[in-house]
Amino acid sequence: DIQMVQSPSYLSASVGDRVTITCRTSQNIRTYLNWYQQKPGKVPKLLIYAASTLQTGVPSRFGGSGSATDFTLTISSLQPDDFATYYCQQSYSLPRTFGPGTKVEI
Amino acid sequence: QVQLVQSGAEVKKPGASVKVSCKASGYTFTSYYIHWVRQAPGQGLEWMGIINPSGGSPTYAQKFQGRVTVTKDTSTSTVYMELSSLRSDDTAIYYCARDFNLPPESYFDFWGQGALVTVSS
Repeated sequence: DIQMVQSPSYLSASVGDRVTITCRTSQNIRTYLNWYQQKPGKVPKLLIYAASTLQTGVPSRFGGSGSATDFTLTISSLQPDDFATYYCQQSYSLPRTFGPGTKVEI
Repeated sequence: QVQLVQSGAEVKKPGASVKVSCKASGYTFTSYYIHWVRQAPGQGLEWMGIINPSGGSPTYAQKFQGRVTVTKDTSTSTVYMELSSLRSDDTAIYYCARDFNLPPESYFDFWGQGALVTVSS
């Protein structure tokens, strides 16, 4: 199975800050990496797929980059609505493992 | 519009089984795989298994092998996930999710609303 490591596991930031979350995989997954946002009590929402493609309707302040084993989710200017937990997920192979999550507190 | 509508919350005793349904609508049911993912209280997302609604055998996470069974009913566009020998640590929200898979793009684009399963004596 492909192991996923996210860092940090928790971060506290202010509105307007630039925030970076990293995801590292245990093997090369090319760009088969997705990012989901989950707010408390809500269903996970796809933000970015194929490492860097923004899902339709997702604000442009979200961005993704990386390939192989190292990936990054960036929020260019943090907004109050961005309080959530963020998960990376590899879609290279089964099982479709998720990272442990990064909780972002405003 | 695409929708995945899951069955309601369940309370089960340890050792029992639970069967959660996921009814798809708004698209061709047999064109997209369906995954099952669970989330224990305050915990992360855990992948459980996948089924191809057009045929073939499901694939399960090793952790759940022997305890989980995913089936489908194409006549009603419904996928089912049954988990047996329930333990207290199976208490979780169980989600179904549709798999968009067109390499190199592959992701869960639609999710069910989740079904809370509580295991308690």
